[in-house]
Amino acid sequence: EAGVVQSPRYKIIEKKQPVAFWCNPISGHNTLYWYLQNLGQGPELLIRYENEEAVDDSQLPKDRFSAERLKGVDSTLKIQPAELGDSAVYLCASSLDQRGAAEQFFGPGTRLTVL
Amino acid sequence: SQKIEQNSEALNIQEGKTATLTCNYTNYSPAYLQWYRQDPGRGPVFLLLIRENEKEKRKERLKVTFDTTLKQSLFHITASQPADSATYLCALSGGGADGLTFGKGTHLIIQP
Repeated sequence: EAGVVQSPRYKIIEKKQPVAFWCNPISGHNTLYWYLQNLGQGPELLIRYENEEAVDDSQLPKDRFSAERLKGVDSTLKIQPAELGDSAVYLCASSLDQRGAAEQFFGPGTRLTVL
Repeated sequence: SQKIEQNSEALNIQEGKTATLTCNYTNYSPAYLQWYRQDPGRGPVFLLLIRENEKEKRKERLKVTFDTTLKQSLFHITASQPADSATYLCALSGGGADGLTFGKGTHLIIQP
């Protein structure tokens, strides 16, 4: 069974440029998460989807970040415009459902460098 | 505000010994606690889940304890091996549709 797929793996952009990350979750997983991870820190939730509905986007900086999960499968996270402080690893994860007991499966992440 | 604390310093353990990692939390009443392993350049991988009404959970060489009075979970790796070297993250959930909140992780190094 394929795991969570993310692309690109690495991205280098200049500040003020837009950038987008793509995630394909495990087939059948209704819940999809986007996390941000800084060096030496744990993952921090940006947004959580249950099917195509964003059920928790309280930590998403909505002035520059946006996300969508059309048809409740793949998801895209966008930053426009990017700032230097956005340099981090962006992780996508999925789980069967959104229960707190549900095991989350993570992708390898996209490492973003903003110059 | 909710706070999760894990050993901020790297933990160096000699091969064959038991490694014990600590996860403390404050201002939180988690219903579930999960432990994940993360290797450099990769996403976290689920290891174990323990519920608030469980004292201990085991899986092969891994053991997790959960003390809701002390607000602490201990994660043990017995007969440690160099391949166990990684960062270990604890994550808490309040239950229901509540998501996971992760700690910063502890970097474990098993010396051969």
